[in-house]
Amino acid sequence: GENVEQHPSTLSVQEGDSAVIKCTYSDSASNYFPWYKQELGKGPQLIIDIRSNVGEKKDQRIAVTLNKTAKHFSLHITETQPEDSAVYFCAAYNFGNEKLTFGTGTRLTIIP
Amino acid sequence: DGGITQSPKYLFRKEGQNVTLSCEQNLNHDAMYWYRQDPGQGLRLIYYSQIVNDFQKGDIAEGYSVSREKKESFPLTVTSAQKNPTAFYLCASSIGVGDGYTFGSGTRLTVV
Repeated sequence: GENVEQHPSTLSVQEGDSAVIKCTYSDSASNYFPWYKQELGKGPQLIIDIRSNVGEKKDQRIAVTLNKTAKHFSLHITETQPEDSAVYFCAAYNFGNEKLTFGTGTRLTIIP
Repeated sequence: DGGITQSPKYLFRKEGQNVTLSCEQNLNHDAMYWYRQDPGQGLRLIYYSQIVNDFQKGDIAEGYSVSREKKESFPLTVTSAQKNPTAFYLCASSIGVGDGYTFGSGTRLTVV
């Protein structure tokens, strides 16, 4: 089955700096890659996603890049703000077995 | 507003008891999912349902049961056979397979 590895597990950055979270996946058949943000005591919220026919997608301060050859994808947050502090999860979806597999999460802390 | 509602937010269970966690959505989504979240382990799939009256086991279905009698509802029962039920449980829904998930706010279950 699919295995998704996520790094780093914790990340602290100064407010205004950029943050990058990286994920790798094992199954080349996976073709949909969402990112979720989870605040304390709440459910995860979809913040951006990318499909396998696209290499990069941006939404304001958030961007996701996908390298299908290397089987890795990354989340980039620019001009970080205190409200960006949360746990971020990557995931990979395989249409063949219809399963969404999550990474183990990255706890991002923005230092004021 | 459309959304997905989980109740209760906190639940305490005695040893040997079955408990049922509620999940209701008014998004008209066909697919619904139950995940378990433990610290450092990401989200693990318990059960999922793509259509009314049909559901499939996920990766950690042992000790759990579900039903899908209505499109809007997907309750999860944690049975006494689940040896380590203390966790944060998340329900999600999606328009169809391979689409972004909408998560509820979760139920924290504690065995006392």
